[in-house]
Amino acid sequence: SAVISQKPSRDICQRGTSLTIQCQVDSQVTMMFWYRQQPGQSLTLIATANQGSEATYESGFVIDKFPISRPNLTFSTLTVSNMSPEDSSIYLCSVGASGSNLLGDTQYFGPGTRLTVL
Amino acid sequence: GDSVTQMEGPVTLSEEAFLTINCTYTATGYPSLFWYVQYPGEGLQLLLKATKADDKGSNKGFEATYRKETTSFHLEKGSVQVSDSAVYFCALSDRGYGGSQGNLIFGKGTKLSVKP
Repeated sequence: SAVISQKPSRDICQRGTSLTIQCQVDSQVTMMFWYRQQPGQSLTLIATANQGSEATYESGFVIDKFPISRPNLTFSTLTVSNMSPEDSSIYLCSVGASGSNLLGDTQYFGPGTRLTVL
Repeated sequence: GDSVTQMEGPVTLSEEAFLTINCTYTATGYPSLFWYVQYPGEGLQLLLKATKADDKGSNKGFEATYRKETTSFHLEKGSVQVSDSAVYFCALSDRGYGGSQGNLIFGKGTKLSVKP
């Protein structure tokens, strides 16, 4: 499995500001994903981060609010823009198992970033 | 669309008790099924997986069998420990026709508390 790190691990931010979360993997992976876990809730996929092209967003999530970068096969960022208290969540990145058929394959998760918006 | 339904929590057990957490799914393709665990204050860890009907995933004393006829993937452990206290998520990844591109669909999670 891949070793995945996220920065920051937690942050407290003011309403209206933006926060960029970094996700670093110790090996090259084709697929990277960003999820949100609202307090006491399950995980919801925000988008798939595609290397060399624009991210693919799920219904209810838009690029202006959650811009994503994927400059190479080991790194991605998620920005939470113009934050409101409703954005307080844990944000997790995950990667698909490298070098394999990604449909139906395992995902490995980073430790998450705990965001509180005041 | 695809979905996962888990039993509602929280579940509170005494140490060494038997654990079952029910999970059923709906999918149009041939999903892989997973159990993930989230310990307090941590991210998700893969606990076990099964990729086809009748497969049994197992890890750390936990087991789950992929039952296509009942569309279920119930998690079991014969004797729980205090250290098993966590939130458990059932998930599927649909490798069927078109659609999900390998992303996971999660159940709502079941919080387990094990008392000494």
